[in-house]
Amino acid sequence: DVKVTQSSRYLVKRTGEKVFLECVQDMDHENMFWYRQDPGLGLRLIYFSYDVKMKEKGDIPEGYSVSREKKERFSLILESASTNQTSMYLCASSSPRTGHQETQYFGPGTRLLVL
Amino acid sequence: AQKVTQAQTEISVVEKEDVTLDCVYETRDTTYYLFWYKQPPSGELVFLIRRNSFDEQNEISGRYSWNFQKSTSSFNFTITASQVVDSAVYFCALSEASGGSYIPTFGRGTSLIVHP
Repeated sequence: DVKVTQSSRYLVKRTGEKVFLECVQDMDHENMFWYRQDPGLGLRLIYFSYDVKMKEKGDIPEGYSVSREKKERFSLILESASTNQTSMYLCASSSPRTGHQETQYFGPGTRLLVL
Repeated sequence: AQKVTQAQTEISVVEKEDVTLDCVYETRDTTYYLFWYKQPPSGELVFLIRRNSFDEQNEISGRYSWNFQKSTSSFNFTITASQVVDSAVYFCALSEASGGSYIPTFGRGTSLIVHP
């Protein structure tokens, strides 16, 4: 089974802090994704990566950056956290080698509260 | 552009009732994939099913069944004899094959509450 883990389930930060959200997958997947989920808005794509050191902007990249130094790890960075970044953050991975790269597997999510 | 609509924001049923969650999609692609995910209160999205656009066969898995109808661009999900453990937010998603990105678009989710 694919295992996607996220470093924290709950996180409380102050406005202006730099925040790191870590995601690790253990299935050697090439593709990794970061979403945020807000009530009534569903999942919105922030950034994604198809390979190490590669990143692509999603639909709402503003205020975020990412880092993919190793294949298994994809980090989401909030350079200067703001209250409107209070949200649930979900990481996902997929791989074309599975024959079903359209299928994403998700981590447990990180609920971030910015005060 | 691809689009997914889950018109039902919240559904409340009593245990053992059958419930259908609606999903309507829009796409110009001929090759695409449809998904349902379940998000229990713990937060993790659990993959339930994937269906490609060339396979309109309905699928049944235990108490779960899916009805894919291209004619109405719908991919509805039915839970038979609902149980309290079915309480969750359910997301429908669409992934187009064109461009090779396969990045899904998610609906806004339907919150299902099953009362004992």
